[in-house]
Amino acid sequence: ETGVTQSPTHLIKTRGQQVTLRCSSQSGHNTVSWYQQALGQGPQFIFQYYREEENGRGNFPPRFSGLQFPNYSSELNVNALELDDSALYLCASSSGGARISTDTQYFGPGTRLTVL
Amino acid sequence: QQQVKQSPQSLIVQKGGISIINCAYENTAFDYFPWYQQFPGKGPALLIAIRPDVSEKKEGRFTISFNKSAKQFSLHIMDSQPGDSATYFCAASRTSGYSTLTFGKGTMLLVSP
Repeated sequence: ETGVTQSPTHLIKTRGQQVTLRCSSQSGHNTVSWYQQALGQGPQFIFQYYREEENGRGNFPPRFSGLQFPNYSSELNVNALELDDSALYLCASSSGGARISTDTQYFGPGTRLTVL
Repeated sequence: QQQVKQSPQSLIVQKGGISIINCAYENTAFDYFPWYQQFPGKGPALLIAIRPDVSEKKEGRFTISFNKSAKQFSLHIMDSQPGDSATYFCAASRTSGYSTLTFGKGTMLLVSP
């Protein structure tokens, strides 16, 4: 069974640029959630995708967007990067669909984004 | 608004000792309380979780204690080992309808040999 994988591992961008982060969900999982983890903080929910549709969104601006593909892999896109976007971006997959709170979320190792 | 408050921020425990991490929540609609363990360079991994219909849940050396009236829950690690050194996050969510995990800020645990 393959776990959740994310790419790239590290990324350095400059303010104003755009970035795309990728996530492959665990085998058999149809739901992907994205979290932002700032240094010294707990993960903060960005949004969730279930069967290729956004299923819920946290308190993040529209310049944070995403996609889910038919194979349930997902992308997180961030436009007009700001310095405060520097963080570890975590992807988590689960099999529960809309009821994410009742199903274990399996996290990937994350992508460390640095915005200069 | 921080809906889940976690303390302490860091903790040093001797090998064989008991590690205790506390969390308090504000939203009374929360009814699922997991704890996650995160090692450096890794994503968080579910350690143990509790629903409010029980006051305690134990899995091996890890125990969650839950106090619904006080809106508090805690993680106890018995016989702490150096391999337990990690960052621990409490979280909370609702099980009815769509919900999301709200995490505490984390506790960095160091178990000294």
